[in-house]
Amino acid sequence: AQSVTQLDSQVPVFEEAPVELRCNYSSSVSVYLFWYVQYPNQGLQLLLKYLSGSTLVKGINGFEAEFNKSQTSFHLRKPSVHISDTAEYFCAVSDLEGFQKLVFGTGTRLLVSP
Amino acid sequence: GAVVSQHPSRVICKSGTSVKIECRSLDFQATTMFWYRQFPKKSLMLMATSNEGSKATYEQGVEKDKFLINHASLTLSTLTVTSAHPEDSSFYICSTRTGGPVAEQYFGPGTRLTVT
Repeated sequence: AQSVTQLDSQVPVFEEAPVELRCNYSSSVSVYLFWYVQYPNQGLQLLLKYLSGSTLVKGINGFEAEFNKSQTSFHLRKPSVHISDTAEYFCAVSDLEGFQKLVFGTGTRLLVSP
Repeated sequence: GAVVSQHPSRVICKSGTSVKIECRSLDFQATTMFWYRQFPKKSLMLMATSNEGSKATYEQGVEKDKFLINHASLTLSTLTVTSAHPEDSSFYICSTRTGGPVAEQYFGPGTRLTVT
């Protein structure tokens, strides 16, 4: 079974500052890794995913994440945030086989202030 | 990405009644859909995997007789909360799974259920 840990429940940051949202996972098998964003009272939108290949993955809205197998991490970064990036961010993993069910972390609320 | 809709977006019902939530895949045929429940300030918890034409597979701890799932067509799955109680109040989100060796999930906008 897999598990995902997002250590920071909330990250406050000023507009145009860089940000990193941390994600660590645990799994006995290889996994796919995802970051999703959720705006208030909405469903989830895929930001980016790591399947294989290059460990640096670029996603939408200027976000990127780096897969580190030795540290079992998949941290999300953005060099300069906007007010509109304020949202809940979820890291998730899935099996490579079968239904590839997603296991989510507890989420990190990114609060961008002027 | 794929477009997934949910109806209703919000519903308030009285304790003891049943409520049905619809999840539709608008632009592709989804053989597999997932139902999640999200508590306030909490992560999404997978409730069940819904497969077209067969019985849903429920996660451990989810009451299958309380949360009835029907996936009668490739574009529609329904979740019925039977004999709802206030503790069933939550945000319910569905997702559809694309085909292929590396499936992606596309999420609906969610349904806010409040049981009074």
